[in-house]
Amino acid sequence: SQQGEEDPQALSIQEGENATMNCSYKTSINNLQWYRQNSGRGLVHLILIRSNEREKHSGRLRVTLDTSKKSSSLLITASRAADTASYFCATGTQGGSEKLVFGKGTKLTVNP
Amino acid sequence: GAGVSQSPSNKVTEKGKDVELRCDPISGHTALYWYRQSLGQGLEFLIYFQGNSAPDKSGLPSDRFSAERTGGSVSTLTIQRTQQEDSAVYLCASSLWGASNQPQHFGDGTRLSIL
Repeated sequence: SQQGEEDPQALSIQEGENATMNCSYKTSINNLQWYRQNSGRGLVHLILIRSNEREKHSGRLRVTLDTSKKSSSLLITASRAADTASYFCATGTQGGSEKLVFGKGTKLTVNP
Repeated sequence: GAGVSQSPSNKVTEKGKDVELRCDPISGHTALYWYRQSLGQGLEFLIYFQGNSAPDKSGLPSDRFSAERTGGSVSTLTIQRTQQEDSAVYLCASSLWGASNQPQHFGDGTRLSIL
């Protein structure tokens, strides 16, 4: 069943602009991860945020988590053409499940 | 290389044939996952192996799908009597151990096309 839902489905911006992608989920989570997928490739882990954290940074990436709203956002600052990819959130649900549930992703295009 | 390796990268076969997809996880990773990704869609969980424990097969869509993991390392996903709706990219991932707080490391997938 679908847990995370990313929004928007597609986003097109110019190089240098910031890109914001959102993820909403339904059930309580232990943590949330963001992944990137370049065309024709596998997913690459970007960042993990735990349910007791509100914000996390990694380079040009900033992730926020609002457990009261069951939502997370991924911000990419000063975007580059190389950031063009699909971005997925994945949730680890409470209850001890070892599985991640992935959303359908946001397709980001950064135009040079 | 040190990453997750999948083979073949592409497979085209006729409806009704059996196919085997292979995944070589990162050495030392005890957890291995198989996913299916249809065009433009997210990842659909298929099966999960953790060490020597019985696999979690809850995501397999039908009894035509099976998987094994020999010696806690290489895994093979088998689809019998393939159907056109089986066309998709099949992704394998491994992690150090099986927990949702572990990053998963993905291979580049096998793109399966059923004619």
